[in-house]
Amino acid sequence: AQTVTQSQPEMSVQEAETVTLSCTYDTSENNYYLFWYKQPPSRQMILVIRQEAYKQQNATENRFSVNFQKAAKSFSLKISDSQLGDTAMYFCAFMKEGQGAQKLVFGQGTRLTINP
Amino acid sequence: NAGVTQTPKFQVLKTGQSMTLQCAQDMNHEYMSWYRQDPGMGLRLIHYSVGAGITDQGEVPNGYNVSRSTTEDFPLRLLSAAPSQTSVYFCASQPSGPPYEQYFGPGTRLTVT
Repeated sequence: AQTVTQSQPEMSVQEAETVTLSCTYDTSENNYYLFWYKQPPSRQMILVIRQEAYKQQNATENRFSVNFQKAAKSFSLKISDSQLGDTAMYFCAFMKEGQGAQKLVFGQGTRLTINP
Repeated sequence: NAGVTQTPKFQVLKTGQSMTLQCAQDMNHEYMSWYRQDPGMGLRLIHYSVGAGITDQGEVPNGYNVSRSTTEDFPLRLLSAAPSQTSVYFCASQPSGPPYEQYFGPGTRLTVT
C-alpha cells in the first residue's frame, strides 16, 4: 500500500517570501502521479499542480513549482512570491497509474499561513 | 457546467439514524469517489466507482454503502450513523484516462450526536 507523509503540520511566512512544503511517499510502483491540492477556509479542494512520475522535468504553474526526486521519493512544493490568498491547507497526494488510477492517497496536510 | 455538486452542505444526525449524501457530476466522468476528512488528517477513500453498476471499497468502507445506477450520480448511504462518522465528506469525479485529475465537490459537513 502507498503512504504519503507531510512532516510539517504548520508553516508561516511573510507575504512575498518563498516557502517550500515537504512531502515524501512510499510506493513500489514505477508509474504514478503526484499532486498538490490546496484547501482554503471555504473547504473546496483545488488542484495546484500535478507531476507525472515518468517525466524528469519538474512541473511548474505560475508561482508554484515542484522538486520531484523519484529515487528519494520526495515531492516538495515551492511557492514563490507568496500572497495572502495562498493561506490554506495543502495536501500532497499519490495516485498510481493503470488499475487503481482512481484512488488518491493523501498526506496529513500542512497548514500554511501567509502574514501581511 | 456545474461540475461536482453535493447535497446537503450540512447535516446533523442522531446515533442510529440513516441518511444518504447526494453527489452528481455533469462532466460525463467514468470514475467517481467518496472521501472523508477528519481533523488533522488528509482525505481517506471510502468507496469508489469506475462506471455505472461498478463499485468497490476504499480504505474506510465500514458503515457506508454506495451504488451507481447512472454515470452522473453516486450517492453515499450511512446505514446506522455513529459519532465516529462525524466528518466532512467529499465526492470527486475523474475522467478514465490521463491526466487523472480529480474534481471535488464542495463537501458535506456531517455531525452525529
